[in-house]
Amino acid sequence: GAGVSQSPSNKVTEKGKDVELRCDPISGHTALYWYRQSLGQGLEFLIYFQGNSAPDKSGLPSDRFSAERTGGSVSTLTIQRTQQEDSAVYLCASRRGGGLNTGELFFGEGSRLTVL
Amino acid sequence: GNSVTQMEGPVTLSEEAFLTINCTYTATGYPSLFWYVQYPGEGLQLLLKATKADDKGSNKGFEATYRKETTSFHLEKGSVQVSDSAVYFCALSDQGGSEKLVFGKGTKLTVNP
Repeated sequence: GAGVSQSPSNKVTEKGKDVELRCDPISGHTALYWYRQSLGQGLEFLIYFQGNSAPDKSGLPSDRFSAERTGGSVSTLTIQRTQQEDSAVYLCASRRGGGLNTGELFFGEGSRLTVL
Repeated sequence: GNSVTQMEGPVTLSEEAFLTINCTYTATGYPSLFWYVQYPGEGLQLLLKATKADDKGSNKGFEATYRKETTSFHLEKGSVQVSDSAVYFCALSDQGGSEKLVFGKGTKLTVNP
């Protein structure tokens, strides 16, 4: 596609339910990132994929959070047993290979999650 | 660990005013520095970057100079327009072995006609 696509754009769920957020990166981009944007907190790194492997998952806040990437393309972020503090905008970004100094990050518009 | 501190907003200016958004960083090694912008209803996009000390990044009339001695990367524009209204994020490349960006909290800019 032309850009990074995320779905759903908005998700309202009840506390305790599981949610899945999807990211479709730009075709050919090998690096994929998930960030969380909370009010007043800026962007918080969650996980980084290079191809299908995740060399850095240090930002996942708890074991309720997991992510996978298949075929070097689409990624899914799963939050189990959602809590109200999980409410935020979840952003996905992708980059061609070559490292941060040479490759620009392209962001999607985000998935806004509200946990009631 | 690595971190970025931006001036807190919101910032409100009149059209054609001079803009400065301060950004300082703490990092080991020699990170690259970035400014990203998020226009209303859109995803973040790269505005400019600098990869080594004394480099100046520039784009769309915005400039920022990588100052190692003051660990700063302040964003400036000589004459802002209404269309510059957005949230601006300063970021650095984490050099601890991971290819990720560390972002500041963002500064919301509103430019009035």
